[in-house]
Amino acid sequence: KQEVTQIPAALSVPEGENLVLNCSFTDSAIYNLQWFRQDPGKGLTSLLLIQSSQREQTSGRLNASLDKSSGRSTLYIAASQPGDSATYLCAAGDRGSTLGRLYFGRGTQLTVWP
Amino acid sequence: NAGVMQNPRHLVRRRGQEARLRCSPMKGHSHVYWYRQLPEEGLKFMVYLQKENIIDESGMPKERFSAEFPKEGPSILRIQQVVRGDSAAYFCASSPPSGSRDTQYFGPGTRLTVL
Repeated sequence: KQEVTQIPAALSVPEGENLVLNCSFTDSAIYNLQWFRQDPGKGLTSLLLIQSSQREQTSGRLNASLDKSSGRSTLYIAASQPGDSATYLCAAGDRGSTLGRLYFGRGTQLTVWP
Repeated sequence: NAGVMQNPRHLVRRRGQEARLRCSPMKGHSHVYWYRQLPEEGLKFMVYLQKENIIDESGMPKERFSAEFPKEGPSILRIQQVVRGDSAAYFCASSPPSGSRDTQYFGPGTRLTVL
């Protein structure tokens, strides 16, 4: 059974810092890896999707990498801003008979202070 | 193009009552997924449906829970005889006909409180 772990659980940094959020998964046979953002009381917003054949994806100040062999993904946030404060969730997309299912980590709660 | 819609946003039920949660996928999306987020826990997959078909319900409790996605209308997650442990945020997501190759777009969730 796939287990997804995210560290750190919480992170508090001053504005302008570059950040790395970590995600690890136990079963490397994934279909894709997604990063989401969740604001308090809100739904999830998709940030980046990396297919299993890809190594990284970039969108603006965000860059996500995927190393299937080691079971790891990182989300890099450049020049952090207070508006980046949210919980960041990593999700591994299953393949095989349960294709379509996402396995989520518990998230990293990020606070960026001015 | 409106996003994934869920209603109600908040639902309060007493133990033993039924809860019905609705999800309207994004226009053109034919795949729907339901996830549950218990307090202090991550999101857990419950069920994956396509129009009129349940594809994977292995994450759904065997009793009291059911889901459907009819040909017309929203997807419904139904919880019978609710208990306090059912209190959680229930999220629906949808994806295009190509299904699991694409990102899943999430709704705002329904927060169920069982008194």
